Amino acid sequence: DTGVSQDPRHKITKRGQNVTFRCDPISEHNRLYWYRQTLGQGPEFLTYFQNEAQLEKSRLLSDRFSAERPKGSFSTLEIQRTEQGDSAMYLCASSPSGQDYEQYFGPGTRLTVT
Amino acid sequence: AQKVTQAQTEISVVEKEDVTLDCVYETRDTTYYLFWYKQPPSGELVFLIRRNSFDEQNEISGRYSWNFQKSTSSFNFTITASQVVDSAVYFCALSEAPGNNDMRFGAGTRLTVKP
Repeated sequence: DTGVSQDPRHKITKRGQNVTFRCDPISEHNRLYWYRQTLGQGPEFLTYFQNEAQLEKSRLLSDRFSAERPKGSFSTLEIQRTEQGDSAMYLCASSPSGQDYEQYFGPGTRLTVT
Repeated sequence: AQKVTQAQTEISVVEKEDVTLDCVYETRDTTYYLFWYKQPPSGELVFLIRRNSFDEQNEISGRYSWNFQKSTSSFNFTITASQVVDSAVYFCALSEAPGNNDMRFGAGTRLTVKP
């Protein structure tokens, strides 16, 4: 049983460039979540999908951010016109549907904007 | 609004000592879930425990134990006979049901266990 995987693990980009991250959830999990974690802080919720539907977005998710899960399997998170403040670890998690399940996290993608 | 406070930023202990990590939460809901996750130096968050608001029984799993007290809105985590491998950042989190969609994390407590 493979866990949640994320690609790339590290990304360095120049300010103003666009970046895209990929998350592959645990195969039988319907729900997929994106979080952002900055240094010394806990993860902050960004958005979540139930299958292919994006059901919730945090106010942290500015219009430069977009997430998709086109076939209800893997998901992508794109950041357009990156800013230095976007530097963070971007975490993906997945869980089965229902309220009695914990979320399982991937290793994260560390983004550095120079 | 939901909020989780982990007042201890860093704790350092010597191996074999017991250590308790504090977690205090705020929520207006009567139904909610509490979690603890471990983030070792490798960075991947590892699930430790989930508790729903209707289950106040304390839980023990090996050297780990959790004390949930609704009266004080606390969900504390104790590691007995700590080991070097316990060194990590530990996060407490809260989710207001249903669905666990928006899990609110505390800022974490960095635990260092010295040999």
